[in-house]
Amino acid sequence: SQQGEEDPQALSIQEGENATMNCSYKTSINNLQWYRQNSGRGLVHLILIRSNEREKHSGRLRVTLDTSKKSSSLLITASRAADTASYFCATDGGTGGFKTIFGAGTRLFVKA
Amino acid sequence: EAQVTQNPRYLITVTGKKLTVTCSQNMNHEYMSWYRQDPGLGLRQIYYSMNVEVTDKGDVPEGYKVSRKEKRNFPLILESPSPNQTSLYFCASSGGYNEQFFGPGTRLTVL
Repeated sequence: SQQGEEDPQALSIQEGENATMNCSYKTSINNLQWYRQNSGRGLVHLILIRSNEREKHSGRLRVTLDTSKKSSSLLITASRAADTASYFCATDGGTGGFKTIFGAGTRLFVKA
Repeated sequence: EAQVTQNPRYLITVTGKKLTVTCSQNMNHEYMSWYRQDPGLGLRQIYYSMNVEVTDKGDVPEGYKVSRKEKRNFPLILESPSPNQTSLYFCASSGGYNEQFFGPGTRLTVL
């Protein structure tokens, strides 16, 4: 079953612009994570936000979490061509364990 | 270098021929997991393991087996592969309820 649903499915922006991706999920969660994947390669962890947190920053990344709306957003500021990748949110589905549910992802293309 | 390795990276096989994809991590992680990735569906969890001899089903376990006899290894076994198991497979490990480290992927084609 798909828990996280990213929106939009694809996003094309110019270098220097900000990119915002959204993720919605269905069940309660203990934490939500964002990952990046360069074409066909393994995923790389970007940031984790716990259910009792509302916002988190890491470099040019800003993640927000709204548990009342069951949604999260990932903002990449001042995007670069190297940010071109697919971005996925992942939740634990409220299990508190290691069951992990990924969304279908947002494909970001940053034009130089 | 801390890493998750998978072998083989690419595999073409025929329906019904048993195969094993190996996964190994050198970070002493307790948690390991297998995912498959198909276009438009993101990653779906096949099986995961909390520790040696402890495994549990993910969302799409049918047609797959796993074992966790050693902490560092978590092989994925397809006893009788079928064309609908053609996919990109990823192994991952984690040291806790935090980030997962992913292997480079195994692209499997079943004819």
